[in-house]
Amino acid sequence: KAGVTQTPRYLIKTRGQQVTLSCSPISGHRSVSWYQQTPGQGLQFLFEYFSETQRNKGNFPGRFSGRQFSNSRSEMNVSTLELGDSALYLCASSQKAPGPGELFFGEGSRLTVL
Amino acid sequence: AQSVTQLDSQVPVFEEAPVELRCNYSSSVSVYLFWYVQYPNQGLQLLLKYLSGSTLVKGINGFEAEFNKSQTSFHLRKPSVHISDTAEYFCAVSDFFNKFYFGSGTKLNVKP
Repeated sequence: KAGVTQTPRYLIKTRGQQVTLSCSPISGHRSVSWYQQTPGQGLQFLFEYFSETQRNKGNFPGRFSGRQFSNSRSEMNVSTLELGDSALYLCASSQKAPGPGELFFGEGSRLTVL
Repeated sequence: AQSVTQLDSQVPVFEEAPVELRCNYSSSVSVYLFWYVQYPNQGLQLLLKYLSGSTLVKGINGFEAEFNKSQTSFHLRKPSVHISDTAEYFCAVSDFFNKFYFGSGTKLNVKP
């Protein structure tokens, strides 16, 4: 069974640009969550999608957005990039909803903003 | 709101020694508890989880954790660590709706 796939793995952008990251969840998983990981702030929750609907949202500015497609694949977009957006962006999928279940993480997309 | 506190940001330990990584959480409702491990340049991998039942949970790679409701703790232990256990460890709590809260992480550094 294939794991969570994130693309691209690494990317470099300049301030003011925008970026789109992609996540393919494990087959059968309908929930996709996004996290930002930085050395200073740790893991911070961005948002969660379930069946194409945003179900939870973290405390990030509107420059951060996401969506989920009917096949459960998800994308997140960051517009008007700032230096502080440099981070590892992790996607995680989960099968159960509602109800407790573990998150399965991808290897992340490392974004560097110059 | 729920929160997770990992009291130690870094834990150095010699190979074959025991280790305990501490985790405390705050929540007024039932929670589900997890430990994840992250190796350099990789995503997070589940070590173990507590959803219900026995408070002593065994995970992969010889790790175990004990859920203590009265002390709101979920400490991770391993009786004998290996060099390959060097990684960052994250404690997490989730609610019934699968919203996760992660601790700030503990870097375990196993020395030969």
